[in-house]
Amino acid sequence: DAGITQSPRHKVTETGTPVTLRCHQTENHRYMYWYRQDPGHGLRLIHYSYGVKDTDKGEVSDGYSVSRSKTEDFLLTLESATSSQTSVYFCAITGQGGELFFGEGSRLTVL
Amino acid sequence: SQKIEQNSEALNIQEGKTATLTCNYTNYSPAYLQWYRQDPGRGPVFLLLIRENEKEKRKERLKVTFDTTLKQSLFHITASQPADSATYLCAPYMGRRALTFGSGTRLQVQP
Repeated sequence: DAGITQSPRHKVTETGTPVTLRCHQTENHRYMYWYRQDPGHGLRLIHYSYGVKDTDKGEVSDGYSVSRSKTEDFLLTLESATSSQTSVYFCAITGQGGELFFGEGSRLTVL
Repeated sequence: SQKIEQNSEALNIQEGKTATLTCNYTNYSPAYLQWYRQDPGRGPVFLLLIRENEKEKRKERLKVTFDTTLKQSLFHITASQPADSATYLCAPYMGRRALTFGSGTRLQVQP
């Protein structure tokens, strides 16, 4: 168990509303990631963080922002949710060998 | 552009046989490549990492090969069991800020 908790695990929201997903880790890892997973596209990187207040964009960052004010928490925000952001979102941290440990996922539905 | 290709069709095999999954990549020479297992509704779980200077890596019934000339990795499960049924993702390190994942191949082992 890599000590990663995602919340909420499921959320249904309406187009145009803001949504924040939280990733919490208990391992004190420096690197944290947000991926989305969609049928036919696999896992795609949204944003990542390499330390407190240090974040950078991934390949599908449009429409998303992130914040990391503490080592243990990495927040993903959709400022104004759209139906194209309906997806399963995974948070991950990097282990010592470069492997990723993933959370259980947050399933978001935007109506 | 960089691409990762995994067979999108499900692989169906009989229990006890060897399952072989393929991962091809283009336009890059990854320093290492990882394989993950993902069960429905769960986050991916790390299985094996193989480096560019390693031809083969084994872990129990799992074996991974890495052919940097062919730009291909093969993932083998020997003496397969129904419990091995899952989606398997390959993730070559493409020199970007995080791992890039293929879309995965679903393996179904029939008893």
